[in-house]
Amino acid sequence: TQTVSQSDAHVTVFEGDSVELRCNYSYGGSIYLSWYIQHHGRGLQFLLKYYSGNPVVQGVNGFEAEFSKSDSSFHLRKASVHWSDSAVYFCAVSGNMGYKLTFGTGTSLLVDP
Amino acid sequence: DPKIIQKPKYLVAVTGSEKILICEQYLGHNAMYWYRQSAKKPLEFMFSYSYQKLMDNQTASSRFQPQSSKKNHLDLQITALKPDDSATYFCASSQEGQGAETLYFGSGTRLTVL
Repeated sequence: TQTVSQSDAHVTVFEGDSVELRCNYSYGGSIYLSWYIQHHGRGLQFLLKYYSGNPVVQGVNGFEAEFSKSDSSFHLRKASVHWSDSAVYFCAVSGNMGYKLTFGTGTSLLVDP
Repeated sequence: DPKIIQKPKYLVAVTGSEKILICEQYLGHNAMYWYRQSAKKPLEFMFSYSYQKLMDNQTASSRFQPQSSKKNHLDLQITALKPDDSATYFCASSQEGQGAETLYFGSGTRLTVL
């Protein structure tokens, strides 16, 4: 059984601030970790993913995430947020069947202008 | 232009009725999926289709039946609707065989069962 925990339901920052959205997972085997973004009324859009190699992965629009096996974490970061980054962010984990994603409950990011 | 089209965007149904949710993808992908997002719950995987064949089913109820009439279509028929079926249903697709697959999602159909 794989689980994903996003401990922060809501995060509010000002435009230009840095932000870190937290994700912790539990899974017993090889995993794929990914982040998706959902703007209001839209479908989920892929941001980035990790399977192996460099634990810091770069995604679209300046987002990056760092995998930590010791902490069972895959936190998402951005150095300087824009108001258009306001959305709900979902962390997801999958095993050998890469399409079967287990999602976290999401973190709603609000960027004040 | 949206590459995955879901219709309708909103749907209201009465308990016991039957509805079909439409999904078409224009990404040339060979795999399609249905996910469900209920209120205050994370997205849940429902079905996986590859080359129009059912590959994986995580939905306990037979009231949910995917239908694939064409390679780029994966509709979802729901019969004997219940209020608990109220959710937003997302269709997704990917190009299978790439390992850590990237899923592309439609904008969803929000179903409300009264």
